[in-house]
Amino acid sequence: AQSVTQLGSHVSVSEGALVLLRCNYSSSVPPYLFWYVQYPNQGLQLLLKYTSAATLVKGINGFEAEFKKSETSFHLTKPSAHMSDAAEYFCAVSNTNAGKSTFGDGTTLTVKP
Amino acid sequence: DAGVTQSPTHLIKTRGQQVTLRCSPKSGHDTVSWYQQALGQGPQFIFQYYEEEERQRGNFPDRFSGHQFPNYSSELNVNALLLGDSALYLCASSLGDRVYEQYFGPGTRLTVT
Repeated sequence: AQSVTQLGSHVSVSEGALVLLRCNYSSSVPPYLFWYVQYPNQGLQLLLKYTSAATLVKGINGFEAEFKKSETSFHLTKPSAHMSDAAEYFCAVSNTNAGKSTFGDGTTLTVKP
Repeated sequence: DAGVTQSPTHLIKTRGQQVTLRCSPKSGHDTVSWYQQALGQGPQFIFQYYEEEERQRGNFPDRFSGHQFPNYSSELNVNALLLGDSALYLCASSLGDRVYEQYFGPGTRLTVT
């Protein structure tokens, strides 16, 4: 069984401030972890993925995430927020064999000018 | 390189009707998964197709069925539509040995009235 909890359904930051979106997971097998971004009325775009290599993962648009097994966390960060980062962000976990992804409920990021 | 495509973009149906949604996977991909994303929620796994067979299924009733064709494209069929079936339906494709790494299409917005 696998599950994802995203802490904070809404996060608001000022332009240029640090972005931190929290994700905790539960998995009975070593997980593969993902962050996706979804803009209004669009599908999901993969930001980054953890697949058991380096624990610090760099993605597109300046985002990165760190896998912490002891904390079962995979938080998403970006040093400096841009207005174009405003969107819905989803954390997801997949097991290695079946590929079924389980998603969190999402975090809406608002960026204030 | 064409990504995942879905048709139609939007669809309005009446309760009790049947609907078919279509998906073409990313070039080179052989596995297709379908997800339902209700408003304000994360995507929920419906089922996955590989080699024209349903390989995995989520907690969805038998009203939801699918098919995969020899060219790897896929259809999602929903019978006896309910108001609660209104959602964004997402298709994701992946390659057999990296089935956990999925690429999503833009989705089909289904509205049931």
